[in-house]
Amino acid sequence: NAGVTQTPKFRILKIGQSMTLQCAQDMNHNYMYWYRQDPGMGLKLIYYSVGAGITDKGEVPNGYNVSRSTTEDFPLRLELAAPSQTSVYFCASSYSSPAAPFFGPGTRLTVL
Amino acid sequence: GESVGLHLPTLSVQEGDNSIINCAYSNSASDYFIWYKQESGKGPQFIIDIRSNMDKRQGQRVTVLLNKTVKHLSLQIAATQPGDSAVYFCASTEPNAGGTSYGKLTFGQGTILTVHP
Repeated sequence: NAGVTQTPKFRILKIGQSMTLQCAQDMNHNYMYWYRQDPGMGLKLIYYSVGAGITDKGEVPNGYNVSRSTTEDFPLRLELAAPSQTSVYFCASSYSSPAAPFFGPGTRLTVL
Repeated sequence: GESVGLHLPTLSVQEGDNSIINCAYSNSASDYFIWYKQESGKGPQFIIDIRSNMDKRQGQRVTVLLNKTVKHLSLQIAATQPGDSAVYFCASTEPNAGGTSYGKLTFGQGTILTVHP
């Protein structure tokens, strides 16, 4: 199993550009999450999904959108990128709840 | 809302010593707690978890203690090794009105553990 995979690993965006961060898991997990981690800080939940077709907001959803059309994939969309979205983005998944999510390697995003 | 914080931002120990990393949480409804290890440039890695109906749980070289009375969590690492050097995060969840937390973790800021050979 590859676990949780994220692409790209790094990306630089200009203010106002948009992009999609990809996340996929091959563990047949129902729950998937997007977190962001600012330098020297803990992780904050952006969006989560409890299954295909179901998504909900986390702590810091503004400026982001998600979709969950399949169990495996959970892309995160940034529209109109802003410098405040410079961060490392982690996707995670878990089979059930409560259960410790398994994290991907992250995507480092810089908005200039 | 929930907040989870750490008492010490950095901890330096000698190889072979035992390490104790502390964490305070604010929401008494928190029912599940996790410790993660994060190495530079990597995602958080699960270490150990504990549910609120327990006060101690042991793994390989690690022990988590939960004191619900004072809302305090600690991670003990025995015989700390240089490979244990990393940032350690505590995280917690609380059930929603329907009784599930969906893994919506609240993370602390992290403690940097440095192990000197």
